[in-house]
Amino acid sequence: GAVVSQHPSRVICKSGTSVKIECRSLDFQATTMFWYRQFPKQSLMLMATSNEGSKATYEQGVEKDKFLINHASLTLSTLTVTSAHPEDSSFYICSAREPGLATNEKLFFGSGTQLSVL
Amino acid sequence: AQKITQTQPGMFVQEKEAVTLDCTYDTSDPSYGLFWYKQPSSGEMIFLIYQGSYDQQNATEGRYSLNFQKARKSANLVISASQLGDSAMYFCAMREVNNAGNMLTFGGGTRLMVKP
Repeated sequence: GAVVSQHPSRVICKSGTSVKIECRSLDFQATTMFWYRQFPKQSLMLMATSNEGSKATYEQGVEKDKFLINHASLTLSTLTVTSAHPEDSSFYICSAREPGLATNEKLFFGSGTQLSVL
Repeated sequence: AQKITQTQPGMFVQEKEAVTLDCTYDTSDPSYGLFWYKQPSSGEMIFLIYQGSYDQQNATEGRYSLNFQKARKSANLVISASQLGDSAMYFCAMREVNNAGNMLTFGGGTRLMVKP
């Protein structure tokens, strides 16, 4: 099946620094990728929809200046947490949609990134 | 209003027994898809099973089956012959065809713990 690679799997950073998370579709071209945030023991919350070659669509309440998303190619989307603060500590996970599937299309998820901001 | 509701935050099941995880949903769209994902402690999301709103038969994938009751808007996951490796969080999700921006709406999840 399709594979989505997400790096890094874990990152610890100091408050005020920026952190970049990469999401790659390894064997298909993903015109659309999604970024989710998950707090401990909670469900996934969609942060934004990333479309190749255009600006990301952010969900209500998500700061676009804090969470920069770039989808520069059909296989790579990046999420940059700018000027990270402890409240940004969370589990971030991306997913990609393989084009051409019918309504039963399933998303392929990355393995997630645990961000800890000190 | 919650679009996807999973009323069981946590469940125990004895190894080798079957277990049902509840999921109810709310939509006015005639065409939608329902998904179940498994999230082990590593965090990755693993696709388990899919049910389309127009599918006549309940979906099955190995030990997983989906008890789809459209009139009641429920899509319960049934795991047969539970294994220790089934211990994980399980999320029910819905995709509405006319909602292209918000790909999937997830329920709050159910933590399943399989006892040896």
